[in-house]
Formats: sequence, C-alpha cells, structure tokens
Amino acid sequence: NAGVTQTPKFRVLKTGQSMTLLCAQDMNHEYMYWYRQDPGMGLRLIHYSVGEGTTAKGEVPDGYNVSRLKKQNFLLGLESAAPSQTSVYFCASSPRPRGSVYNEQFFGPGTRLTVL
Amino acid sequence: DQQVKQNSPSLSVQEGRISILNCDYTNSMFDYFLWYKKYPAEGPTFLISISSIKDKNEDGRFTVFLNKSAKHLSLHIVPSQPGDSAVYFCAASKKTGANNLFFGTGTRLTVIP
Repeated sequence: NAGVTQTPKFRVLKTGQSMTLLCAQDMNHEYMYWYRQDPGMGLRLIHYSVGEGTTAKGEVPDGYNVSRLKKQNFLLGLESAAPSQTSVYFCASSPRPRGSVYNEQFFGPGTRLTVL
Repeated sequence: DQQVKQNSPSLSVQEGRISILNCDYTNSMFDYFLWYKKYPAEGPTFLISISSIKDKNEDGRFTVFLNKSAKHLSLHIVPSQPGDSAVYFCAASKKTGANNLFFGTGTRLTVIP
C-alpha cells in the first residue's frame, strides 16, 4: 500500500495564479483532511471531508476550495494564489470513528508551495 | 488562538538519557491526545496517544502522561536514541465532530550520540 500520496511535491506560483493539489489514499478511509504548516504555527486544518461528496471548513479555509468526488481523492484548490499561501501542505486520512474509539490520522509527505 | 501549546521549541538530550517533551492545552472539551513525530521532508507519523479517561499510556520506550486538572501532557522517551531526533507535535481532538486535530507548534528534539 502506498498510503497517502500527494501531487506535486513542489510548486512555485506567481501571485494570482491558480492550482490544484491532489491527495490520494489507498486505505479506504472515509475521512480526509488538508492542513498547512507554517514556521512557528504547527499544522492548521484548512478543510476536511467525512465522505465522498462532502466537505467542511476547518480553522483556516479562506482562499481555498476543496472537492471530494471520489472516496480515495481529496483535491485542494487555490483560485488566486497569494504570498500568504506560501506554506507546506499536508493531506491526511483516517477511518470513520467507531463508537468511542479514536483513529489516528495518516499523513502524506507534503507539498511545498511558494507564491511569489 | 492556540489551543494546544508546546512552549519549548527545541530540546537536546544525550543518547541513553530521558527526553521529556511537554504540551499544554486550553480547551477542556479535548478528550483525546496524540503525539506525532516528523522528520524533514516527510509527513508526520503517529507515535502514541492517550484518552482523557487515562493518565498514562506506555508503548516501548515511549510513555505519555496526562494531567487533566493541569491541562498538561508530556511525552517521555527513555532511553533516547539518535534516531529519535525529529520534531514532535502534540495534538488534541474532541470526541464530537470529525476527529479534527488541533496541533501544537512542535518541539525539535536532538539526541546527541
């Protein structure tokens, strides 16, 4: 199993350009998440999905859109990139919780995005 | 507003000694706590967790302690090994919702051979 994969690994954009980050998981997980990591800030949740066709906002959703058309894929879009969106983006997935059992999230390797 | 805090950005420990990483949280609704380990250019990997109904969880060299009254948890690594050198993130979750995680800012552990 590849686990959680992210495409691309690196990208440089100019202000105002758009792009889509792709996350794929082969563990049949229901839940998927997008985080960004900035120096001194830890990881912050952008958007998440609890199943195919569903999405919801996290802590820092502004400037991003997401789609979950297939269970195994979760796309993160930047419609008009800004320098403040320079960050490392991590995708994660987890099984749906069963009762009181918590399931940890599994993370991809990250995408380093620079917006000039 | 940072709900999970790791006040020590870095920690250096001699190989074989104990490493203690600390984490504080402010939201009393958190009921599950996790530690993730991160190497450069990789995603975080799950290390150990603890439910709020417990005060200690042990897995090999790693032990997590939870003090709910103080809203504080700590990760003990003993004995520390050079391969433990990484950034450690504390994270917390609420039972309700989509198991969203709230992360601390991380502590960089360096184990000196």
